[in-house]
Parts: sequence; structure tokens; C-alpha cells
Amino acid sequence: DSGVTQTPKHLITATGQRVTLRCSPRSGDLSVYWYQQSLDQGLQFLIQYYNGEERAKGNILERFSAQQFPDLHSELNLSSLELGDSALYFCASSERGGSNTEAFFGQGTRLTVV
Amino acid sequence: EDQVTQSPEALRLQEGESSSLNCSYTVSGLRGLFWYRQDPGKGPEFLFTLYSAGEEKEKERLKATLTKKESFLHITAPKPEDSATYLCAVLVSGTYKYIFGTGTRLKVLA
Repeated sequence: DSGVTQTPKHLITATGQRVTLRCSPRSGDLSVYWYQQSLDQGLQFLIQYYNGEERAKGNILERFSAQQFPDLHSELNLSSLELGDSALYFCASSERGGSNTEAFFGQGTRLTVV
Repeated sequence: EDQVTQSPEALRLQEGESSSLNCSYTVSGLRGLFWYRQDPGKGPEFLFTLYSAGEEKEKERLKATLTKKESFLHITAPKPEDSATYLCAVLVSGTYKYIFGTGTRLKVLA
């Protein structure tokens, strides 16, 4: 158990809808990362937050947004969903905002858009 | 452009047949290199962190090494339970992003 908790584990929704994925980082970790992994694809970095502030941005679509709350949990919001958004979404956390430290991953949310 | 390439894409080994996985990287500056194991439908599980050329880390049947251009994950006498996808990631100096390779899918046959 990595200590990173993601909910829900599975989500099935229709095109055009909006969903929210939730991540609770390991206790004490200040940094949260979101990644997308499509079928047989690598991990694509979406966005990183450190202590409530956006720290780095990757290939995140404008339809997607995220935030990190004062209690350090994070939410990834996906809107106007398309079939191609179906993927595994992973959250990871680390202790010192990416300063020579490993990231620990949650078990992911499997999103299916129908 | 910062890049991480893993080879081979897939590897089939007989139980007990040792081998190595490669992770080559081209980055402006390396802050750290990380190895993860990922089982199907699961989140990546952290294995090792390497920071500088010449560094080595070991865990059970796995040993990771680092040079200035690449890292190797050596698997000694693998067992079927070692079957998984092994991911390599780098943290680039001056950034906060981990760049992942696409992984090596390892299958160990009994």
C-alpha cells in the first residue's frame, strides 16, 4: 500500500458529461501529480500541485482542470468528456515538491466514457 | 528535448534466465532517475532512486545501475511473479516533472 488513495476506482459516464476524480496524498506529502495512462500507452503527465499551488503543467487539455485543497487532497475535473478520454488516471504524491524524491502512486481511477 | 527511451519493449524469459532492461535518457540535467514496477490495471510501485553515475541499488532479484546516459535494471534468476511492466522515469533539473519511458513488459515463464 503506497498510502495514496484515489476515488472512485471505476467510473463509467457518457460523452459530454463532467466527472471529478479525487486523490488523498500520503501523510506529510505536499506535492500531488496527476497522470493519464491510455490503453497500452505510457504515463502522460498532466499537472502538479505543491502545497495548494500549481507547480508544473504538462499535456493537460483545457477541458481538464485540477486543484489542491488546504488539507492537501486534490481533485481532477474532466468536462465535456469524449470517448478518447477513457483511460486510467493516476495520482502520485511526494514529500518535497519533486526535489530529488520519489513519487508514490495511487491505484488509479479507471474512467470509461461511453 | 528531454526524452526517456526504454528497451526492449517486451521481454520473455524462462524462470532463472537473467537479463537486463535498459533506460536511456537525454536530459539537460538529471536530478534523479527512478524505476517502478507496474502490474496490469494497477498503479506504479516504486522500486529505486538513483542520483549519480556509478550509483547502484539492489532489492531481492533486482539491481539498478546508472551511467551518464543510461540506467540498467538487472534481473537475476527471475521468477514468474517478477512478470510486470517496468517503468523508468527521470526528474529533470530545474523542473518538477517526472518524464516516464513507455516501459518494458516482462514475462517470466515457469
